Amino acid sequence: QKEVEQNSGPLSVPEGAIASLNCTYSDRVSQSFFWYRQYSGKSPELIMSIYSNGDKEDGRFTAQLNKASQYVSLLIRDSQPSDSATYLCAVRNSGGSNYKLTFGKGTLLTVNP
Amino acid sequence: DTAVSQTPKYLVTQMGNDKSIKCEQNLGHDTMYWYKQDSKKFLKIMFSYNNKELIINETVPNRFSPKSPDKAHLNLHINSLELGDSAVYFCASSRTRTGELFFGEGSRLTVL
Repeated sequence: QKEVEQNSGPLSVPEGAIASLNCTYSDRVSQSFFWYRQYSGKSPELIMSIYSNGDKEDGRFTAQLNKASQYVSLLIRDSQPSDSATYLCAVRNSGGSNYKLTFGKGTLLTVNP
Repeated sequence: DTAVSQTPKYLVTQMGNDKSIKCEQNLGHDTMYWYKQDSKKFLKIMFSYNNKELIINETVPNRFSPKSPDKAHLNLHINSLELGDSAVYFCASSRTRTGELFFGEGSRLTVL
């Protein structure tokens, strides 16, 4: 069973702080990694995708990938109350024609004003 | 213009009934998906179609039957609904099998 693990939280940070969200995965040959944000009652929306080891920055968001340790993280700088949401880590498994995207159970982030 | 649209957004029905959810995408994507999100917010894939061909069929009861009449549409029919089918069902699409997913707004199914 190929799994994606996240701390369910809730993770609570003050406004302006850095929020750090972590994710580990079990399939060593996974190729693609994604972070989605889901507000309560809404659909998931893509924040970041990362395919190579290292850091990828987009505005206040930085995704970090370490394939050797099988973890991917998301840093949110200068956290805002509007960042309060559930963050879903997703990993695309390889193998034949099955390019399934597997989601973690999500981490609930609360940014306190 | 909505990219991935699902109808209906809400369904409330009795156990044993049959219901359908429709999905359409206007992004020109080749691959479409059905995901189920349960009460604990766990998002799990059910089916995926690539160019109308079924490529992913997870361990889902055969009461669930997807149908893709063309690349832009993917429907989900559910027979003999059970209490455990209550969830939010999300349709999604991606440009290729390995591409990023774009989700519809979800269809909340409540079985009484």
